[in-house]
Order: sequence, then structure tokens, then C-alpha cells
Amino acid sequence: AQTVTQSQPEMSVQEAETVTLSCTYDTSENNYYLFWYKQPPSRQMILVIRQEAYKQQNATENRFSVNFQKAAKSFSLKISDSQLGDTAMYFCAFMKPSNAGGTSYGKLTFGQGTILTVHP
Amino acid sequence: EAGVTQSPTHLIKTRGQQVTLRCSPISGHTSVYWYQQALGLGLQFLLWYDEGEERNRGNFPPRFSGRQFPNYSSELNVNALELEDSALYLCASSSDRIPGNTIYFGEGSWLTVV
Repeated sequence: AQTVTQSQPEMSVQEAETVTLSCTYDTSENNYYLFWYKQPPSRQMILVIRQEAYKQQNATENRFSVNFQKAAKSFSLKISDSQLGDTAMYFCAFMKPSNAGGTSYGKLTFGQGTILTVHP
Repeated sequence: EAGVTQSPTHLIKTRGQQVTLRCSPISGHTSVYWYQQALGLGLQFLLWYDEGEERNRGNFPPRFSGRQFPNYSSELNVNALELEDSALYLCASSSDRIPGNTIYFGEGSWLTVV
């Protein structure tokens, strides 16, 4: 079974600064997807960024980028130029492709979440 | 394009009652997922439906059930409600026809059991 660990329950950052959220995972699979989701106080889960394990290049989406270290099973999220609207709970998630077979495919396994607060 | 929509947004039920939550996936998505987010317990996978069939189930008792309709919308039913069923229930959808299998979430249904 896959596990996802976020070791930082809470983080804080000043507006306009950079912050990195950590995530590690455990799997025996070679092909999989990794995601970062954001959950603001409204509680809707919003996709921030995704990474395919077969791609060596780190994914980027505007101010959001990841540092994907496959051998180390590490998937950290860097938020540059932090904004007040970035304040939210951030979840790291793992998923096997839905055509991979087995009982865990097609579902996300989430970490415990990191509460990020951006201060003005 | 409309996102994943869920109803109702909030509801209060009494212990022992039954509840039905509804979800409409993004147009073109055939897979629907249900997750439970209880306070202090994180996000727990409940059910996955694809093309009308249950494909995978999380570690929940049988009183949690659901179904997917021909239009790919889905219902989650919870029977014999218990206090610990109080949670945010999130529905999500995806399509295997779209590369990457990204799962998109709705805004959730808040269930309070008293």
C-alpha cells in the first residue's frame, strides 16, 4: 500500500516571500502520479500542480513549482512570491494510473496536510 | 464549463437516520470518487465508480454505499447514521480519456449527525 507523509503540520511565510512544503511517499510502483491540492477555508479542494513519475522535468505552474526526487521518493512544493490568497491547507497526494490494476488504482492517497498561513 | 457539483451543501441528520448525497461530474468525465474528510482524520477514500460500476472501495462499513447512473452522476448513501459520520463528503471526477487522470473535486456536502 502507498503512504504519503507531510511532516510539517503548519508553516507560515511573509507575503512576497518563498516557502517550501515537504512531502515524502512510499511505493513500490514505478509509474504513478503526484499532486498538490490546496484547500482554502471554503473547503473546496483545488488542484495546484501535478507530476508524472516518468517525467524527469519538474512541473511548474506560474508561482508554483515542485522538486521531484524519484529515488528519494520526495515531492516538495515551492511557492514563490507568496500571496495572502495562498493561505490554505495543502495536501500532497499519490495515485497509481487507473489502468495499472490492483485494488488501489484510480484513487488518491493523501498526506495529512500542511496548514500554510501567509502574513501581510 | 461547469465543475463537479454536489448537493446538498449542508445538512443535519439524527443518529440512526439515512442520508443521500448527490454528485454530478464534469461533463465528459466517467469516473466519480467519494471521499470523507472528518475532523482530525484527513481525507479518506470511500468509493470509486466508473462506467456505472463500483471499481474500488475504501475501508468503510457496508452502510456506506452508492451508485452511478447512466449519465455518470452518482449518489452516496449512508444508512444508520452514527455521530462519527459527521464530516465533509467530497465528490470528485476524472476521465481516463484525458491524459494524466487528474481528479477534480466539488465543493463538498457538510453532514452533521446529532
